[in-house]
Amino acid sequence: QSALTQPASVSGSPGQSITISCTGSSSDIGAYNYVSWYQQHPGKVPKLMIFDVSNRPSGVSNRFSGSKSGNTASLTISGLQAEDEADYHCSSYTSSSTVVFGGGTKLTVL
Amino acid sequence: EVHLVESGGGLVQSGGSLRLSCATSGFTFSNFWMHWVRQAPGKGLVWVSRINADGTTTTYADSVKGRFTISRDNAKNTLYLQMDSLRADDAAVYYCARNFRSDASDIWGQGTMVTVSS
Repeated sequence: QSALTQPASVSGSPGQSITISCTGSSSDIGAYNYVSWYQQHPGKVPKLMIFDVSNRPSGVSNRFSGSKSGNTASLTISGLQAEDEADYHCSSYTSSSTVVFGGGTKLTVL
Repeated sequence: EVHLVESGGGLVQSGGSLRLSCATSGFTFSNFWMHWVRQAPGKGLVWVSRINADGTTTTYADSVKGRFTISRDNAKNTLYLQMDSLRADDAAVYYCARNFRSDASDIWGQGTMVTVSS
């Protein structure tokens, strides 16, 4: 199972919106609405931000939103804040009943 | 409060074995599927394995299939990962994580480091 493809880095200024893409295949993202996104600050454990493509767990800011089109999922962060600077990881359920992650994207808030 | 605490990591020679444990508290462990996920230094997350609530169904990444075994003891609220035939590319921080829904994990342990020497 190949890893999902994410950009290595993205950046944005405070207040702006950014979008991180996550590209898979018809065997994972394209086949199921089971995409998740995690935020991970340096030295910290991952935090679930989005599940089932576009749902936020309780307590996650509504500045974070998820979507999917075909084999590509996206995470959008609006009203960018300094505290959003972190690594973001996407994951998906696969047709092999396994889970696959992306390589991670480093978000820099300028 | 919900807690997951991994232990059992350490330095092992290539070809050797380790058994990781994940002690849980603060929730009904026997109701939840669980995962192991690993992360090599400076790299992304990599899913390793999943086990269902009663321990009867397990799934593995191709990279560890036949070498790693996931199990659980619901009476002890503990998850395990038996790792055999360890290789250099198995070196990573290993996290246990609670399945929330649809293979999304909402609670993660702090991780335990596995180092494999050649």
